[in-house]
Amino acid sequence: DTGVSQNPRHKITKRGQNVTFRCDPISEHNRLYWYRQTLGQGPEFLTYFQNEAQLEKSRLLSDRFSAERPKGSFSTLEIQRTEQGDSAMYLCASSLTGGFRGYTFGSGTRLTVV
Amino acid sequence: KNEVEQSPQNLTAQEGEFITINCSYSVGISALHWLQQHPGGGIVSLFMLSSGKKKHGRLIATINIQEKHSSLHITASHPRDSAVYICAVRSWANFGNEKLTFGTGTRLTIIP
Repeated sequence: DTGVSQNPRHKITKRGQNVTFRCDPISEHNRLYWYRQTLGQGPEFLTYFQNEAQLEKSRLLSDRFSAERPKGSFSTLEIQRTEQGDSAMYLCASSLTGGFRGYTFGSGTRLTVV
Repeated sequence: KNEVEQSPQNLTAQEGEFITINCSYSVGISALHWLQQHPGGGIVSLFMLSSGKKKHGRLIATINIQEKHSSLHITASHPRDSAVYICAVRSWANFGNEKLTFGTGTRLTIIP
């Protein structure tokens, strides 16, 4: 197993453009989480999925943000009309239900909005 | 006040020194994680604790549930230990979803 894979590793975009990130979790993990980390801060929860169902969204996730996990495997996080404040590291993690098993993070996608 | 507080924020030490990083939290928790983040962003899970003490190589993690406090110790520190160490908790409020709440991290620099 190659762990949790995130693509791209880095993304530079102009303000107002849309961007999409992808996360491939560990194959047998049914839970998938998105976190956002700004410079000098710890990660903050954005949303999580159990299989294909999005079960919780943080109020940090404005209407410009949408996440999907269509077949319960990989997930995408889209940001529409990016703003400079969206510049951050976007981290994905996956786990198995119950007992915090195998909680594994990806290497993240660093977004810079210019 | 954040639910998870770490100290110190920055720590610089000489190679070989014994390192202690502290984490205090204000909520009831079911689990606490110590994580390591190297430049470039990737996070590696070091320990998951719900009680007592765990050891892995030169790393030791302890937790005192009554005092809502955990420590991460590094013995015989080495420059490759230089990283940001992050404490994260799963509160009882999040028992069903296993969502983590993170501290802001401790940046450790070990000088050869």
